[in-house]
Amino acid sequence: DIVMTQSPGSLAVSLGERATINCKSSQSLLYSHNRKNYLAWYQQKPGQPPKLLISWASYRESGVPDRFSGSGSGTDFTLTIGSLQPEDVAVYYCQQYFDTLGALTFGGGTKVEIK
Amino acid sequence: QVRLVQSGAEVKQPGASVRVSCKTSGYTFTSYYIHWVRQAPGQGLEWMGWIHPNSGGTKYAQKFQGRVTMTRDTSITTAYLDLTRLRSDDTAFYFCARVEYNGGWFPSHYWGQGTLVTVSS
Repeated sequence: DIVMTQSPGSLAVSLGERATINCKSSQSLLYSHNRKNYLAWYQQKPGQPPKLLISWASYRESGVPDRFSGSGSGTDFTLTIGSLQPEDVAVYYCQQYFDTLGALTFGGGTKVEIK
Repeated sequence: QVRLVQSGAEVKQPGASVRVSCKTSGYTFTSYYIHWVRQAPGQGLEWMGWIHPNSGGTKYAQKFQGRVTMTRDTSITTAYLDLTRLRSDDTAFYFCARVEYNGGWFPSHYWGQGTLVTVSS
């Protein structure tokens, strides 16, 4: 199975400041046929299911504020919250959906808090 | 609108079995896979497997092989997760998610609300 490693495990950021979360996969998530990275970012708040924020590594889903952005390719990816807002306090997960034969694995999660 | 509504919380003794249901609506049930993901209290997300509602085909994470069965009833557009020989470390929220497959997977836009399964004597 593809292993997804997120860092840091938690971070505290001041309101209005930038938060950066990293995700590394054990193998490339870039499909050469269509040049797409099969990597998603989810936000999860207590008592709720995960919410899809970013797909294909950098495509922001409809309704997601533009302070959220995804970047990276191959095995290294980043989720950036450009200006942290109170409602962004949550746990963020990366997930690979590249593996058609195995598990669709998640990273371990990053807890974002207000400093 | 697309909805996935899961069954209510369960409390089970160690060694027992549990069934969690995922009632879907608002789309063609047989056109999308249902994936199951669990989350122990305060822990991360763990993928368990999927079922293809059209064929009934399944794929399970190796960790759960032999203890998990995923089924569906197309007449009532509902997917089921059965987990047997429950242990205390199976205590978790169990989520279903609708996932598209078209030459490759797509990410999960739609999730159930989660079902808490507590395993305790």
